[in-house]
Amino acid sequence: DGGITQSPKYLFRKEGQNVTLSCEQNLNHDAMYWYRQDPGQGLRLIYYSQIVNDFQKGDIAEGYSVSREKKESFPLTVTSAQKNPTAFYLCASTPRSGPNTGELFFGEGSRLTVL
Amino acid sequence: GIQVEQSPPDLILQEGANSTLRCNFSDSVNNLQWFHQNPWGQLINLFYIPSGTKQNGRLSATTVATERYSLLYISSSQTTDSGVYFCAVAMDTGRRALTFGSGTRLQVQP
Repeated sequence: DGGITQSPKYLFRKEGQNVTLSCEQNLNHDAMYWYRQDPGQGLRLIYYSQIVNDFQKGDIAEGYSVSREKKESFPLTVTSAQKNPTAFYLCASTPRSGPNTGELFFGEGSRLTVL
Repeated sequence: GIQVEQSPPDLILQEGANSTLRCNFSDSVNNLQWFHQNPWGQLINLFYIPSGTKQNGRLSATTVATERYSLLYISSSQTTDSGVYFCAVAMDTGRRALTFGSGTRLQVQP
C-alpha cells in the first residue's frame, strides 16, 4: 500500500538533546512538508521541500533542520535550540511541487515530549 | 502571507442535525482542501476543492474562489463526525505549501 510512514509515533527526550523524526513516502510524490501542531491549535509549517537536495523554511523553522537526500525521505531534526519542542509533528507530501501541487496527504504523526 | 479564518470555532450538535462550516481566505488560491482530524490525531482528506462543488455521502463542499470563501456541509450528523475540521489553502503565486486555519471543533452528541 502506498503511503507516508512516520517514526517513531511517540518519543520522549531530555532537554538539551537533539532528536530526529523520520518520514518516508512511497507515493512517488515530488514535494514533502513538515507541520507542527500544538494542543488545540491549527497546523504550522516548519519546512518544505519541492525537489531533492533543496528545501525552504516555513513559518516556524527556528530550532529545526531538515535534509532531502532522496525523493522518498524527508527527516526532521529538532535541535536543542528549539525552545518549546513538545508537540505533535506531521509529515505530508503532494504529487507535484508547483505551481499547483495537487492534494496534500499526511502521515500519522509523531508525538514528541520533552521531559 | 495568506490569512485563513474558520467559523465557528466550536460547534455542538445533536445526532441527526445538519451544519455548515465556513472558511474565509484573504488572497487568490489555486488549492483548497478540507480535512477532518479524528481524536487520535489522524488527518483525513475530505475534499480537494479549489473551486466548485463536490459531494461525498453526507458531506459536501462548495468553494467560491472569486469571493474567497468555502463552505463544508455536514448532513444528518453522526457521533463519528466529531473531531476538528480544518480548511487549508495555497496561493496561486508565491509559496506553494498549504496554510491552515485554526479549525472548527465539532462535537456530535447522541
